[in-house]
Amino acid sequence: RKEVEQDPGPFNVPEGATVAFNCTYSNSASQSFFWYRQDCRKEPKLLMSVYSSGNEDGRFTAQLNRASQYISLLIRDSKLSDSATYLCALMYSSASKIIFGSGTRLSIRP
Amino acid sequence: GAVVSQHPSWVICKSGTSVKIECRSLDFQATTMFWYRQFPKQSLMLMATSNEGSKATYEQGVEKDKFLINHASLTLSTLTVTSAHPEDSSFYICSARVGGFTGELFFGEGSRLTVL
Repeated sequence: RKEVEQDPGPFNVPEGATVAFNCTYSNSASQSFFWYRQDCRKEPKLLMSVYSSGNEDGRFTAQLNRASQYISLLIRDSKLSDSATYLCALMYSSASKIIFGSGTRLSIRP
Repeated sequence: GAVVSQHPSWVICKSGTSVKIECRSLDFQATTMFWYRQFPKQSLMLMATSNEGSKATYEQGVEKDKFLINHASLTLSTLTVTSAHPEDSSFYICSARVGGFTGELFFGEGSRLTVL
């Protein structure tokens, strides 16, 4: 089983829609969680960290469910500029390296 | 924010040659850098952790003699793909953490390697 799994998509939704992605992880020792955004042929950029209590940044909301071992990302009022690949990532408490999921492709249509 | 720079951005080489990719932290010191590889439509796969002044730690399945990593200073790590083959063609990305163990990870712009 992969350490981090994501639905590859693509998710194709109209502008203004709300879209949500999930990401599951297999190792309960995972300590920190993140969502990254990657545009085509570019490096990933941190979108937000994911906290146990859940956190929100504008139109973006991240949740962590340790019992079920998944994290989620909710995007409200989606914009054309939100089109990208969204990567979930985790870091184990025993190491400083970050492991990435395979990414979920999102395409927002006018 | 912190800046991590990679060079070259693009490289095309013949099979059998070696290619060196540089990763620099421009405005901070990085005792640890990470090298990732990404094939088209796939995720970033961690290749190795580069440690300043000591040997790199390679992930399982990554050949240390083929992917030579040198982290000679607090601002520079290099990845050399030795005797490159077409299957080594990929997007190589370095990253460095700012602010200790749980600090934010910043990525370089990536280096796209094509081996003919």
